[in-house]
Amino acid sequence: EVQLVQSGAEVKKPGESLKISCKGSGYNFNSYWIGWVRQMPGKGLEWMGIIYPGDSDTRYSPSFQGQVTISADKSISTAYLQWSSLKASDTAMYYCAKLTREGSTWDPFEYWGQGTLVTVS
Amino acid sequence: EIVLTQSPGTLSLSPGERATLSCRASQSVNSNYLAWYQQKPGQAPRLLIYAASSRATGIPDRFSGSGSGTDFTLTISRLEAEDSAVYYCQQYGNSPRTFGQGTKVEIK
Repeated sequence: EVQLVQSGAEVKKPGESLKISCKGSGYNFNSYWIGWVRQMPGKGLEWMGIIYPGDSDTRYSPSFQGQVTISADKSISTAYLQWSSLKASDTAMYYCAKLTREGSTWDPFEYWGQGTLVTVS
Repeated sequence: EIVLTQSPGTLSLSPGERATLSCRASQSVNSNYLAWYQQKPGQAPRLLIYAASSRATGIPDRFSGSGSGTDFTLTISRLEAEDSAVYYCQQYGNSPRTFGQGTKVEIK
């Protein structure tokens, strides 16, 4: 069974750094692109970017390029989303999600994590 | 960037009725790579439809997708109480991938 398990909720102050995680299991983690989606309070979904854990190739939406860093550690089947200096506007639920087909970036998100709530205040 | 505009904003229907949700793209979506997701309160989104008209694994056949180019539709025939949710379209055929703003379906 495919599972994506995310790290727990975080409360941070503006200017602090943060790294949240997403551990995959039940499939070949190295061979599927995995990405991050932001959902601000009461708002819709925003595609942030994706990473291929096999070689750490990363693609960002222009809206998030330079604002966050997506990384992965294939040895522990875990993807990360990182901020160097948080802002109040980063307050949101963040979901990790796995793309559908092995090796393909042109896919929807088939499996989703449970979400990590980040509060910056 | 492709902008996806969903309509209506909210749809209020009775059980057993048919729901028709629209997603219009600002430019043609390559390969009709258009997906639909369902999100219930407090839950992660769930993939319903991909490639405009293919149902994802385990999705009931009362959910169907259609369309091509810039105009896409999600149809829910015979609404059930459990279909109350927000529905999002997403295009993944062009960079950057983008989502629509969502349509809320309420069951009376």
